[in-house]
Parts: sequence; structure tokens; C-alpha cells
Amino acid sequence: DSGVTQTPKHLITATGQRVTLRCSPRSGDLSVYWYQQSLDQGLQFLIQYYNGEERAKGNILERFSAQQFPDLHSELNLSSLELGDSALYFCASSVGLGVTRDEQFFGPGTRLTVL
Amino acid sequence: AQSVTQLGSHVSVSEGALVLLRCNYSSSVPPYLFWYVQYPNQGLQLLLKYTTGATLVKGINGFEAEFKKSETSFHLTKPSAHMSDAAEYFCAVSTSRSNDYKLSFGAGTTVTVRA
Repeated sequence: DSGVTQTPKHLITATGQRVTLRCSPRSGDLSVYWYQQSLDQGLQFLIQYYNGEERAKGNILERFSAQQFPDLHSELNLSSLELGDSALYFCASSVGLGVTRDEQFFGPGTRLTVL
Repeated sequence: AQSVTQLGSHVSVSEGALVLLRCNYSSSVPPYLFWYVQYPNQGLQLLLKYTTGATLVKGINGFEAEFKKSETSFHLTKPSAHMSDAAEYFCAVSTSRSNDYKLSFGAGTTVTVRA
């Protein structure tokens, strides 16, 4: 158990809908990262937040957005869902800013299925 | 931009045999390199990492990897495979650039262990 929690574990929805994925980082970790794992694109970095502020952005679609709240939990919002958004979404957390110094601890993931 | 190529999407080894997973990276600045393991239905767990210093890095579960700058490689090895090593393994790269915290992952190598 990494200490990172993600809810829900599974999510099944229809095209065009909007969903929210939630992540609680390890106690004391200020950075939260979101990754998408799909069969065709592999593991891709989406976005990083540090202490409530966006710090880095990867291959995140405009239909997707995220935020980190004062209690440091984070939410990833996916809207106008398409079949291709079906994937496993991971959250990771680390103590500080630098992935080079701080190990990223991964949550168990949320499996999103868009029908 | 940095990237990682993992050679071989599937590796099958006998229990007790050497495990060798190949990873080559591309980076315009000194890389930081990581190996993660993903067991079925779980998140990613860090096996080992190279940032600076000794090029032979030892990790958990008996795994080690060697950073070879001249070959732009970071291959993962374990002298004797165990059934519990069956999992998917990801090589990842980040850089020393202070504003670049994301991990870029390879496509992954699935390891099966034969009794």
C-alpha cells in the first residue's frame, strides 16, 4: 500500500458524459501527478500540482482539467467523454517538487470505461 | 525532450534464470532514470533509480540496473527469477532540468516466469 488513495476504483459511463476522479496523496506530500495508461498510448503524464498550484503540464486534452484543493487532495475532471478516453488513470504523489529527488508513489488507479 | 525505448514487449524466463530487460533512453540533458514494476490490478512501484553517482544501482527484490552513458542504456537485471517477478516493468526518464518534473515512460515489458 503506497498511501495514495484513488476513488472510485472503477467507473463506467457513456460518451458525452463528465466524470470526476479523486486522489488523496500520502500524508505530508505536497505534489500530485496524474497519469493516463491506455493500450494504444501507454503511460502518459497529464499534469502536476504542487501545494495547490499547477506546476507542469503534459499531454492533457482541453476536455480534461484538474485542481488541487487546500487539503491537498486532487480531482481530475474529464468532460465530453469519448470512447478513446477509456483508460486507467493513476495519481501519484511526492514530498516536494523535484521528481529527481523525491520518489513518486502511485495510487492503485481508477479504471474508466466509456461506452 | 526525453524518451525511452524498451526493447521487447514480452519476456519469458524460467524460474531461477537471469532476467534482463532492456531500456534505451534519449535525452538532450543528463537523464535521471527509473524502473517501475506494476503487478496485476495495482499501481506502479519504484524498483530503483539513477540520478547521479554510482552507475550500478541496486533496487528492491534483488534487481539492479547499470547506467551506461556511451550506450544510452539502463538495462534491468536480476540474477535468478522468482515466480513473484511476473509483472509488467516500465523504464522511465526525467531530466535534471529544474522545471521538468514529469516522468516519460517506455511502453513496458511484460515478464512471465515459467516453473
